[in-house]
Amino acid sequence: GAGVSQSPSNKVTEKGKDVELRCDPISGHTALYWYRQRLGQGLEFLIYFQGNSAPDKSGLPSDRFSAERTGESVSTLTIQRTQQEDSAVYLCASSLGYQALRRPTYNEQFFGPGTRLTVL
Amino acid sequence: GIQVEQSPPDLILQEGANSTLRCNFSDSVNNLQWFHQNPWGQLINLFYIPSGTKQNGRLSATTVATERYSLLYISSSQTTDSGVYFCAVDSSNFNKFYFGSGTKLNVKP
Repeated sequence: GAGVSQSPSNKVTEKGKDVELRCDPISGHTALYWYRQRLGQGLEFLIYFQGNSAPDKSGLPSDRFSAERTGESVSTLTIQRTQQEDSAVYLCASSLGYQALRRPTYNEQFFGPGTRLTVL
Repeated sequence: GIQVEQSPPDLILQEGANSTLRCNFSDSVNNLQWFHQNPWGQLINLFYIPSGTKQNGRLSATTVATERYSLLYISSSQTTDSGVYFCAVDSSNFNKFYFGSGTKLNVKP
């Protein structure tokens, strides 16, 4: 598609349930990012993918959070045993990423519309 | 990690006024972006500007990398400029972006 898409746009779940959030990056973008934004707050970095690998997972808040990416395409963020403090908007972004020669490239991020997660 | 500070945290303008938003960062950066988050939550790219000056219509931005700050200028503000403006920087080779806490702008008619 033309931009980054995310699904679902809204998710309401009960405490203790697992949820999966999906991100489709811009075609051709090798880098993909997940962020969390709590109400009225800034963006909190969660994880970054370059291709299929995740060089930096340090932002994941706990072991209940995991993410994977297949090919240089779709990524899913999974939250197990959701808690009320997980309620937030989860934003995905993509960028061109690194060139094959591993030189930093023009790396502007483009964001999707987000998934609003509410844990009751 | 790198510290990103934005100022002012809140700004109220009368339509037609000009303003300057500031982003200070604590380390050298490879990438810097300015975003506008509209009232519906969508982040809109304004500038990709790790250094230098760029202009786009009523908006312009300047990053002085050696002094670790960036400025976003809004001229002749309009009510549609309302929202939150974020600065995001990346100082690593892993493209880990750090966001400032934002400037909330309210332009009144």
